[in-house]
Amino acid sequence: GNSVTQMEGPVTLSEEAFLTINCTYTATGYPSLFWYVQYPGEGLQLLLKATKADDKGSNKGFEATYRKETTSFHLEKGSVQVSDSAVYFCACGKGQAGTALIFGKGTTLSVSS
Amino acid sequence: EAGVAQSPRYKIIEKRQSVAFWCNPISGHATLYWYQQILGQGPKLLIQFQNNGVVDDSQLPKDRFSAERLKGVDSTLKIQPAKLEDSAVYLCASSPLQGVGYTFGSGTRLTVV
Repeated sequence: GNSVTQMEGPVTLSEEAFLTINCTYTATGYPSLFWYVQYPGEGLQLLLKATKADDKGSNKGFEATYRKETTSFHLEKGSVQVSDSAVYFCACGKGQAGTALIFGKGTTLSVSS
Repeated sequence: EAGVAQSPRYKIIEKRQSVAFWCNPISGHATLYWYQQILGQGPKLLIQFQNNGVVDDSQLPKDRFSAERLKGVDSTLKIQPAKLEDSAVYLCASSPLQGVGYTFGSGTRLTVV
């Protein structure tokens, strides 16, 4: 079945630093790809998504591009803020057309001022 | 629009006891999911309903876990008997039929002692 591997954390950055969190997937076909964020004490929120190869998802300054050739969906942000401190989860659709999600283990980001 | 409602928010039980969690999805969402999130890991799908039928329960430990979605609206997830390794956050999510607009509830944190 489909699976997701994301870089382990924690990732510790200073404010305004560049962020990359790596995510690769193994899948049959081309499932939709997602990044979810979980802020301290809050529930899972969709950050961005891409539904087909070469699509770029973006939201709140974060971006990720669906790379079919490298089976990757790396999350990037040019200048992080303290308020970006959270746990980030990469996810893919289960099966080719499934709507259930398969999540990575999560990467904790801590940004200091 | 109201979100996905879950209750209780927290539950502590002893091993071998039983417990039930309740979820009320967003009105009109045909698909409902239960996920288990163990501390330090990403959510794992337990069961997916479409209306009141089960779409995927391949990862549900059926010897102890059961779930139902009567009338295609609210859902209940039950564990009987609970084990220590069942300690986790149980997340409910819902989506319209085509999967767009996936929304998670805040979860129920279960501690088995």
